[in-house]
Amino acid sequence: QITLAESGPALVKPTQTLTLTCTLSGFSLTTSGVGVAWIRQPPGKALEWLALIYWDDDKRYVQSLKNRLTITKDTSKNQVVLTLTNVAPVDTATYYCARLHPRDFDHWGQGTLVTVSS
Amino acid sequence: QSVLTQPPSASGTPGQRVTISCSGGRSNIGFNAVNWYQQLPGTAPKLIIYSNDERPPGVSDRISGSKSGTSASLAISGLQSEDEADYYCGTWDDSLSGPIFGGGTKLTVL
Repeated sequence: QITLAESGPALVKPTQTLTLTCTLSGFSLTTSGVGVAWIRQPPGKALEWLALIYWDDDKRYVQSLKNRLTITKDTSKNQVVLTLTNVAPVDTATYYCARLHPRDFDHWGQGTLVTVSS
Repeated sequence: QSVLTQPPSASGTPGQRVTISCSGGRSNIGFNAVNWYQQLPGTAPKLIIYSNDERPPGVSDRISGSKSGTSASLAISGLQSEDEADYYCGTWDDSLSGPIFGGGTKLTVL
């Protein structure tokens, strides 16, 4: 059974760095063709793709946030980590990780709500 | 503002057939397959259509997808109250080198 589980802080202060972890189960990021993405959804708004990492360590970022995002993987722990620097209230959202296989997001985590507030 | 354009809302009565459109361009829908996601209130999105018209196992055959040129559509027949949700189209954009989503359509069953 394939599952993804997001974890991280529920509350972050403005200007701080947000670090989120996605723990994978039932599949591996060492498998050819597989990718894991981070996608966020501000309250009441649409989905926004943020970053993507493939099995071969190829990385992609949304252009508007490229300077603030970093995505990495730890295959020994079966985890994908996203960092977002210098957060602001507009970064308040539910953050999802999802498996990309090969061009659709076929499995999603349950999401984690992150609020940016002082 | 999303690269893919969807109507913000759609509605129908039980038993009716409703369609939701998704409009894009050559760099996205024009050259890439379209996927559709259903998001029930308070839950994560779920893949319901991939590769334009394929249904994952377990997805109702009342749901279908199609694509023509730079537009795609999702159709739900025999509308039921459980279909009330937000629906998002998604695809790859070759110019942006990444995946994109539509703005979402809220489907209401009257």
